Amino acid sequence: EAQVTQNPRYLITVTGKKLTVTCSQNMNHEYMSWYRQDPGLGLRQIYYSMNVEVTDKGDVPEGYKVSRKEKRNFPLILESPSPNQTSLYFCASSYQQGFHEQYFGPGTRLTVT
Amino acid sequence: TQLLEQSPQFLSIQEGENLTVYCNSSSVFSSLQWYRQEPGEGPVLLVTVVTGGEVKKLKRLTFQFGDARKDSSLHITAAQPGDTGLYLCAGEAGKLIFGQGTELSVKP
Repeated sequence: EAQVTQNPRYLITVTGKKLTVTCSQNMNHEYMSWYRQDPGLGLRQIYYSMNVEVTDKGDVPEGYKVSRKEKRNFPLILESPSPNQTSLYFCASSYQQGFHEQYFGPGTRLTVT
Repeated sequence: TQLLEQSPQFLSIQEGENLTVYCNSSSVFSSLQWYRQEPGEGPVLLVTVVTGGEVKKLKRLTFQFGDARKDSSLHITAAQPGDTGLYLCAGEAGKLIFGQGTELSVKP
């Protein structure tokens, strides 16, 4: 089954404690991205990757890091989480950047206290 | 900065009613997508419209792309409780720009 998986689905952590949210896709997609979803703000892109070892900032990259060492994986790293990073996070993949369908993971609900 | 404004943000209607959701921008987009998101899940693509003036139908859902490719609408006929969810439009201009979403609740 074609899918994007994320782990964990729920995470409660404290300010400053480094964390990683994993993302994996099994569709051999070149393009992957991370979004955060906040009430009234829709989906905002954090980082994206057009292919292995190619990553770039989205609209709200501050406080986040990513890596793309393999085509299928695109982890999101919060080196020192802060309460304003409390949000719902989605990983997405598509064949290429542009008008292609984005396949979204199920989301990770992060709370930083 | 390119923005997509969706309206209304919230819509609560009775089963059987019709509704329209709007997605507007001052920018031109190469294409526009509509997604539907259910609680606890990620958005799922409903349709992509590419040509100005294009109309696509998906059962009771009708999608239209404006002639100038700056706006789009989603019309649902005879809404059902199963239509409940968050509807998101996304314009493509090199990357996808998402609207804020329309939260639709259809009551039996």
